[in-house]
Amino acid sequence: VQLLESGGGLEQPGGSLRLSCAASGFTFRNYGMSWVRQAPGKGLEWVSSLTGSGATTYYADSVKGRFTISRDNSKNTLYLQMNSLRAEDTAVYYCARDWNDVDYWGQGTLVTVSS
Amino acid sequence: DVVMTQSPLSLPVTLGQPASISCRSSQSLLSSDGNTFLNWFQQRPGQSPRRLIYRVSNRDSGVPDRFSGSGSGTDFTLKISRVEAEDVGVYYCMQGTHWPRTFGQGTRVEIK
Repeated sequence: VQLLESGGGLEQPGGSLRLSCAASGFTFRNYGMSWVRQAPGKGLEWVSSLTGSGATTYYADSVKGRFTISRDNSKNTLYLQMNSLRAEDTAVYYCARDWNDVDYWGQGTLVTVSS
Repeated sequence: DVVMTQSPLSLPVTLGQPASISCRSSQSLLSSDGNTFLNWFQQRPGQSPRRLIYRVSNRDSGVPDRFSGSGSGTDFTLKISRVEAEDVGVYYCMQGTHWPRTFGQGTRVEIK
């Protein structure tokens, strides 16, 4: 199992970024997927999850209405569209397999929101 | 939201000695399907989290048997029978039963 995130970087407050997570080594469509973030020097915070089909999504209150989770099962890729970014969204963003028995994690991608 | 409370937050341990971390949830983690989705993760410095234990007490493949998990309902424990140098890091519990998913604050394990 491999999960490889990309798309992080420096963005201004109010801006947008789209993160991607390329999955391999398992049947991607059979698993729910999640995004978890970690602000610098802080603990882990669950952000969002979705079902294997992508039909059902869940969000933390801190990102609801601003972030959108999605997936393309033909490309084995998970996405996180982040709009209206705030300074407090600065974190390493990890994608992870599953949503209750969260098992495999990617290496993370750093998102910095600053002017 | 389910609040996950870990203690202690810092745990200095002598090499070869046991260590124990408590995780308490504000609601029962017993799911309607009969499973209790309580995971333990280890995060070594500069690394991604790694799952050690799932569903309270099931050890992941490749995890040394000095790690064990126990508990039920709202009260859970991660034990390290004999701490080794490679166990240094931060340990998190996470509940996967209720939305939103929530993590404990983390327990930093260090060598005395």
